[in-house]
Amino acid sequence: GENVEQHPSTLSVQEGDSAVIKCTYSDSASNYFPWYKQELGKRPQLIIDIRSNVGEKKDQRIAVTLNKTAKHFSLHITETQPEDSAVYFCAASPKDTGRRALTFGSGTRLQVQP
Amino acid sequence: NAGVTQTPKFRILKIGQSMTLQCAQDMNHNYMYWYRQDPGMGLKLIYYSVGAGITDKGEVPNGYNVSRSTTEDFPLRLELAAPSQTSVYFCASSTGWEYEQYFGPGTRLTVT
Repeated sequence: GENVEQHPSTLSVQEGDSAVIKCTYSDSASNYFPWYKQELGKRPQLIIDIRSNVGEKKDQRIAVTLNKTAKHFSLHITETQPEDSAVYFCAASPKDTGRRALTFGSGTRLQVQP
Repeated sequence: NAGVTQTPKFRILKIGQSMTLQCAQDMNHNYMYWYRQDPGMGLKLIYYSVGAGITDKGEVPNGYNVSRSTTEDFPLRLELAAPSQTSVYFCASSTGWEYEQYFGPGTRLTVT
């Protein structure tokens, strides 16, 4: 079945620096790749997503890039702020599990130091 | 528009007890999901539903059961609770499986 690997598991940056989180997936038929942000004690919320017919998508300080050939996608956060501190999850929509459900990565805890 | 609601917020169960976690959504979404999130870990899919009357197993279904009699409600039943079921349970819904999932606030369950 689909395997989504996420790196790094923890990331600490200084306020104003950029942060990059990477995910790889195994099922080449996957075509939907969302990113969720989960603040401490809160529910996950979608921050950005990308489909396989697009190579890059940007929304203000966040962007996602997709490399279908290499089967990896990345979240880029520029000009980080303390409120960006949270756990970030990537996900993919595999076809080989037989389930109509996303597979999530294990999460990256991002800490932005003021 | 309340979105996805879950009850209760917190619950402590004794080993062997049973309970039902409630989930409801008012967005007319066909797809609904149950996840568990262990401390410091990711989201594991327990069960999901693609519409009223249709449910299917996720990655970790053992010890749980679900039903979907209406579009709005998707309860999760725990039978014979075990300490390994101590977790935070999230319900989510979406218009389709490759679309944004909206999560409920979660239920924190402790089994002792």
